[in-house]
Amino acid sequence: DAGVIQSPRHEVTEMGQEVTLRCKPISGHNSLFWYRQTMMRGLELLIYFNNNVPIDDSGMPEDRFSAKMPNASFSTLKIQPSEPRDSAVYFCASSQRDRVYNEQFFGPGTRLTVL
Amino acid sequence: TQLLEQSPQFLSIQEGENLTVYCNSSSVFSSLQWYRQEPGEGPVLLVTVVTGGEVKKLKRLTFQFGDARKDSSLHITAAQPGDTGLYLCAGADFNKFYFGSGTKLNVKP
Repeated sequence: DAGVIQSPRHEVTEMGQEVTLRCKPISGHNSLFWYRQTMMRGLELLIYFNNNVPIDDSGMPEDRFSAKMPNASFSTLKIQPSEPRDSAVYFCASSQRDRVYNEQFFGPGTRLTVL
Repeated sequence: TQLLEQSPQFLSIQEGENLTVYCNSSSVFSSLQWYRQEPGEGPVLLVTVVTGGEVKKLKRLTFQFGDARKDSSLHITAAQPGDTGLYLCAGADFNKFYFGSGTKLNVKP
């Protein structure tokens, strides 16, 4: 299995631009998570989906952030408009919710820099 | 609000030394996980503990879950430079995970 795939690996953009991050979860996993990691705040859960349905988006910072999961093999996290304080590493993770332990598998992350 | 507090935040030791990392919370979790993260990569799961008082060993790493399922510890025996990384604990509340602030470990040869 290829593991969780994220693209792009690095993104540099200017303030005000739209940014779209992409994630392909592990095949067969039915839960998908988006996290943001910064030095100051550590790893924060932004939103998670079960069976393609958003369950908890309480971690999404503000309306500039949105996430979609149109099917079981693809999800996007969009920031519009982007701001310098959005600079961070964004991780996608997936898990098999039916398993007792709900072990998460992380992608390699997208390093976002907003100038 | 940080539900899980890890200590110490930073640890720099010599190869061969032992160390313990702590993960504490006032909340009860259904399970607790430990991850290791290397620079430029995502966290990688090391272990999951489920039962209060449970102890799991992974080679030189020993993980313990507190009796009340609120805290956990990670003990490394005879640390090696390959153990260097960021260690994260994560408490599970049903399908939602809360990550600790992390312990950055540096093992010097």
